[in-house]
Amino acid sequence: EDQVTQSPEALRLQEGESSSLNCSYTVSGLRGLFWYRQDPGKGPEFLFTLYSAGEEKEKERLKATLTKKESFLHITAPKPEDSATYLCAVDGGGADGLTFGKGTHLIIQP
Amino acid sequence: GAVVSQHPSWVICKSGTSVKIECRSLDFQATTMFWYRQFPKQSLMLMATSNEGSKATYEQGVEKDKFLINHASLTLSTLTVTSAHPEDSSFYICSARPTGREKLFFGSGTQLSVL
Repeated sequence: EDQVTQSPEALRLQEGESSSLNCSYTVSGLRGLFWYRQDPGKGPEFLFTLYSAGEEKEKERLKATLTKKESFLHITAPKPEDSATYLCAVDGGGADGLTFGKGTHLIIQP
Repeated sequence: GAVVSQHPSWVICKSGTSVKIECRSLDFQATTMFWYRQFPKQSLMLMATSNEGSKATYEQGVEKDKFLINHASLTLSTLTVTSAHPEDSSFYICSARPTGREKLFFGSGTQLSVL
């Protein structure tokens, strides 16, 4: 059974204070690891897909990295509008939908 | 990018009534759509996989007679919560994967409140 664990559960940062969110996963055969952003009362918004260890992707202030056991979402010099819940999910190759972690609730204070 | 439209965004209903939620892929075809449920501060939990032209596949613990899924076309799946009760109150989210692409696109979600 695929498992995804995200840490920390919540993170409060000052504007401009860089940090990283962690996603540890267990899967029999990784077809893809996904990062989504979710704002309150809305569906998840796609950020990145990573497929193999060593892969990195960047988008504005966010950079996602992947190893064989975990992924990190690095946020550099965050702004208040980056406040959201960040979800990590894995596709284990079955016909089912993705397996999600509980998310990290990120708050950026001005 | 691919767009998934979900309606309604909010619904409040009395206990015992049925509620239908629609999920449409606007600019792509989806033979498979997924329905998730999310409780406050919890992760998305897969409820069922909706397959166009055939029966849905339900996750363990999800009552198929309570959560009716119909995927009548390549762009539309519906979830009907039958005889809703307060414990069914939750945020329901649909998603779809365009053919040949691996990432899922999500609808905006439906907040269901059963009084």
